[in-house]
Amino acid sequence: GDSVTQMEGPVTLSEEAFLTINCTYTATGYPSLFWYVQYPGEGLQLLLKATKADDKGSNKGFEATYRKETTSFHLEKGSVQVSDSAVYFCALSEIQGAQKLVFGQGTRLTINP
Amino acid sequence: DTGVSQDPRHKITKRGQNVTFRCDPISEHNRLYWYRQTLGQGPEFLTYFQNEAQLEKSRLLSDRFSAERPKGSFSTLEIQRTEQGDSAMYLCASSFSLTDEAFFGQGTRLTVV
Repeated sequence: GDSVTQMEGPVTLSEEAFLTINCTYTATGYPSLFWYVQYPGEGLQLLLKATKADDKGSNKGFEATYRKETTSFHLEKGSVQVSDSAVYFCALSEIQGAQKLVFGQGTRLTINP
Repeated sequence: DTGVSQDPRHKITKRGQNVTFRCDPISEHNRLYWYRQTLGQGPEFLTYFQNEAQLEKSRLLSDRFSAERPKGSFSTLEIQRTEQGDSAMYLCASSFSLTDEAFFGQGTRLTVV
């Protein structure tokens, strides 16, 4: 079945550091790919998405590119802030619009000032 | 509209008791999803509705679990004869069928003692 594997955490960085959180997937078709973020005490929020190969999703300074050849969707940010501290989930959906999401295990990110 | 609302936020119950959770989706959304998230893991899909019809159920949803969405509005998730292994965060999400973004509630944390 479909699966998502994320870089294990926790990840701790200093403010203004470069961030990469790796995500690879296994799927039978051509899924849509997502990054969700969960801030402390809040629900999951969609951070960015990409629906086809070579698409780049971006939001709040975060970027991820849908790489079909490497089945990857790595999350990057050039300069992290303390407010980026959260748990980040990579996910896929095989069926566009159906939102039956398959999530990775999550990566806890802590940014120190 | 303030987003997806779940009630209660926390529930502690004794093993063997029945519990029921409620989810109120965003009003114009006709798809509603239930997920379960255990500590340190990503959410796992349980079931989803389009309007009042329950279209898919995961194998995770044993016969002790039942979900309903009368009139295609709010949804309830009932767990009968709770077990300690049912302790988890139960997440509800909703989406509009023609897009592929799901909005999540803050979840109901169930603890079975």
